[in-house]
Amino acid sequence: SQQGEEDPQALSIQEGENATMNCSYKTSINNLQWYRQNSGRGLVHLILIRSNEREKHSGRLRVTLDTSKKSSSLLITASRAADTASYFCATVTGGSYIPTFGRGTSLIVHP
Amino acid sequence: GAGVSQSPRYKVTKRGQDVALRCDPISGHVSLYWYRQALGQGPEFLTYFNYEAQQDKSGLPNDRFSAERPEGSISTLTIQRTEQRDSAMYRCASSLVGRNLLYGYTFGSGTRLTVV
Repeated sequence: SQQGEEDPQALSIQEGENATMNCSYKTSINNLQWYRQNSGRGLVHLILIRSNEREKHSGRLRVTLDTSKKSSSLLITASRAADTASYFCATVTGGSYIPTFGRGTSLIVHP
Repeated sequence: GAGVSQSPRYKVTKRGQDVALRCDPISGHVSLYWYRQALGQGPEFLTYFNYEAQQDKSGLPNDRFSAERPEGSISTLTIQRTEQRDSAMYRCASSLVGRNLLYGYTFGSGTRLTVV
């Protein structure tokens, strides 16, 4: 079953613009992770945010977490064509050590 | 090794045959996870191990699927009597500890299984 659901399902932007993807989940979490998947490649871990954190940064990535709304957002600033990929959120609940993935957001960045 | 290694990268098999998919995790990683990913979908949990112990196999679709990690390192996912609906990308991931609060999970490149 899907715990996290990404929104939108697809996003198309121009290079240099910012891209924002959202993830909503249903039950309390221990942490939430974002992954990127390029076409034909494996999943790459981008960032992990714990339930007691509200915001984290990594390079051009900014992740926020609102546990009251059970939602997270991933912001990619100054996007590049190389950012074209599918982005997945994965949640880990308190009683489980199993990351549960959503269906992902497909991001296309046009040069 | 430097990363999670999966073999084979591609496997085409005839319906009814058994297949074995291999995962070699990062050296020293305690936890190992198997996922299945259909096209256009997110990874779906199958099973996971801490060391050699299978902690959770609730995601295995039926009893044709089994997994082992006998020495706490390399793992094998076996699918018996394959069916066309088993066709998917099978992904393996490992992490340093079972409840990884600081780091994410490292995924291998996957095995693309096609049952014809």
